[in-house]
Amino acid sequence: GQNIDQPTEMTATEGAIVQINCTYQTSGFNGLFWYQQHAGEAPTFLSYNVLDGLEEKGRFSSFLSRSKGYSYLLLKELQMKDSASYLCAVTDSNYQLIWGAGTKLIIKP
Amino acid sequence: IAGITQAPTSQILAAGRRMTLRCTQDMRHNAMYWYRQDLGLGLRLIHYSNTAGTTGKGEVPDGYSVSRANTDDFPLTLASAVPSQTSVYFCASSETATDTQYFGPGTRLTVL
Repeated sequence: GQNIDQPTEMTATEGAIVQINCTYQTSGFNGLFWYQQHAGEAPTFLSYNVLDGLEEKGRFSSFLSRSKGYSYLLLKELQMKDSASYLCAVTDSNYQLIWGAGTKLIIKP
Repeated sequence: IAGITQAPTSQILAAGRRMTLRCTQDMRHNAMYWYRQDLGLGLRLIHYSNTAGTTGKGEVPDGYSVSRANTDDFPLTLASAVPSQTSVYFCASSETATDTQYFGPGTRLTVL
């Protein structure tokens, strides 16, 4: 079966750095997405990785290792507004998006 | 309209009733999707459409139907609602089936 694993919940301190991991087992791989979802709102696109390596976008970076079936989202200089759920999703061989259950990130002052 | 809109925002429905959730996008995206999101389960694909006039079944299609008569609209119909269909429903669209998906604001549906 297809599976995406993420930690259920993480806590971090304002101003710090946090790394949210995602491991996947899917039938084929055509890219990995990270989305942010604030409580009661829709998911919004953060990043896309299709090749191995690090993609940096401001305070957020996303890393991919296809051989290990592994990605992480790195958030730097955490702000209170970063409190949200972070969703990892993988495009499989049929170009269907398979979604993880999401990681709820709690930022404390 | 800018992006994707969904209606209604929320709805309480008696079991056995028929309900249509509306989704409209103005980005001229070819592909559209319906997901449900339940606590702890993540987003699950109900139905999708890669282009106007075609539809496909996702992971959890039973009890739901869709149509794609034109590019902009992708309604989701519950023929006879059951309490297990209580969920938050998100519509999404992408330029093509392989591109980034953009989500509507969601519909919170409660079936009693």
